[in-house]
Amino acid sequence: QPILTQPPSASASLGASVTLTCTLSSGFSHYKVDWYQQRPGKGPRFVMRVGTGGIVGSKGNGIPDRFSVLGSGLNRYLTIKNIQEEDESDYHCGADHGSGNNFVWVFGGGTKLTVL
Amino acid sequence: QVQLVESGGGVVQPGGSLRLSCAASGFTFSTSGIHWVRQAPGKGLEWVTFIQYDARYKYYADSVKGRFIISRDNSKNTLFLQMNSLRAEDTGVYFCAKGGVRFGEALFFWGQGTLVTVSS
Repeated sequence: QPILTQPPSASASLGASVTLTCTLSSGFSHYKVDWYQQRPGKGPRFVMRVGTGGIVGSKGNGIPDRFSVLGSGLNRYLTIKNIQEEDESDYHCGADHGSGNNFVWVFGGGTKLTVL
Repeated sequence: QVQLVESGGGVVQPGGSLRLSCAASGFTFSTSGIHWVRQAPGKGLEWVTFIQYDARYKYYADSVKGRFIISRDNSKNTLFLQMNSLRAEDTGVYFCAKGGVRFGEALFFWGQGTLVTVSS
C-alpha cells in the first residue's frame, strides 16, 4: 500500500499564497489523493481530490476558489491563494488502496498551516 | 444539511469494551458507505474501518482486525463500532465519515468526533 508523506508544518503571511505537498511512495504515481482541512477542535472537511491531471470531480462544500490542486509524478499539491485567518488548519492527504478482498485508506501525517 | 453525530466515547480500562454510535441525517443513509477514522492526541488521521451501504462488505485496518466490529441499522440511520480488547494505543478521537457507494470515493462529510481514552 502507498505511504503518503507530508511536511509537518508550513506558514504563510495573511494575503500571501502557500503550496502544501503530499508525496506518494514509489510505484504509486498513478494514485489520486484527497485533501482534507481540519480546523482546531473540529472534524475534518473534504477539500478536493487530485490526480496527475489536476482536480478530480468537484470541490467539497463551501471550499473557496482560492483553493486549487495540481499533481505531478509522485507529488500532489494543494495551493491556497490570498490566505485568510480561517485557513489556519491542519491539512491531511489520504488515498484508498485495494486489491482482492483487502481495501484500506491511508493518510499522511498532516501539515499544520500557520497564518502569520 | 448533512449531519453526523458520534457518541459513546469515554474512559475504559485496557482489555475492556466500548460501543460507539454515529447518528446520521440530511442524506440518504441507506445508499452511503460509512467510515470510522480515529486520531490519537496530537497525531494524524488513521483509518479504522468501512461498511458498505448494504453492509455486504466491511473492511478493517490491520491494527483493529479481530477486535473491532462495524455494523449499521439503516432503519434508524445509525452506524455502530463495537470495540473489544481495547489497548492504550486505541486512545483518540473517533470520527464517522460519509463516503459514497464505492469504497474508493472520498470521505465527503465528517462528524465532530467522540473521545475514547483507554487507561487504567
